[in-house]
Amino acid sequence: DAKTTQPNSMESNEEEPVHLPCNHSTISGTDYIHWYRQLPSQGPEYVIHGLTSNVNNRMASLAIAEDRKSSTLILHRATLRDAAVYYCILRDTGGTSYGKLTFGQGTILTVHP
Amino acid sequence: DTEVTQTPKHLVMGMTNKKSLKCEQHMGHRAMYWYKQKAKKPPELMFVYSYEKLSINESVPSRFSPECPNSSLLNLHLHALQPEDSALYLCASFYTVVRDRGFHGYTFGSGTRLTVV
Repeated sequence: DAKTTQPNSMESNEEEPVHLPCNHSTISGTDYIHWYRQLPSQGPEYVIHGLTSNVNNRMASLAIAEDRKSSTLILHRATLRDAAVYYCILRDTGGTSYGKLTFGQGTILTVHP
Repeated sequence: DTEVTQTPKHLVMGMTNKKSLKCEQHMGHRAMYWYKQKAKKPPELMFVYSYEKLSINESVPSRFSPECPNSSLLNLHLHALQPEDSALYLCASFYTVVRDRGFHGYTFGSGTRLTVV
């Protein structure tokens, strides 16, 4: 499985933007970049995913480097509810239509009021 | 219904007990997953089912026995567990849009917190 590297932890203040980096230098051409987050005592929650182009949704934006070896998850205005572990994952299809997610250690995001 | 529902939410069992964890989704997703998550660690994949057939077993000990009786239901049967098997067990399902393979993702349940005593 292709690996990702994320900082162990990051901190932010409420209502400020947060940029969560992820390195994936061994990414292959068909690997989608997925971001999930996990709040305490809950299951992981989908945040965003992309292949080559930058992506936006109501939760966040995903900026993907031109060479695809890194990406950045952007939370435009952090709230206390965004405090969670954020996982950057390269989806492994394994030759199937459904694939699987292999989680790394993730980044613990702390948001200060 | 856009959820993956896991029951029970909490389970305490003895090492000689037999118990089952249940996972349901009514979204028509045809791939379903079991993950195990120890405290302060990331989730680890255990099993994957596709169209009710087991497609991936990540070398999980036989004291964990998965079952997929239909497209909406996934069970994990537990027998003779050890205290080190205490963890959060997560179920997930995979969705995609046939006409747009780029539109896909995984929906996770809230998990069953298992304690083996």
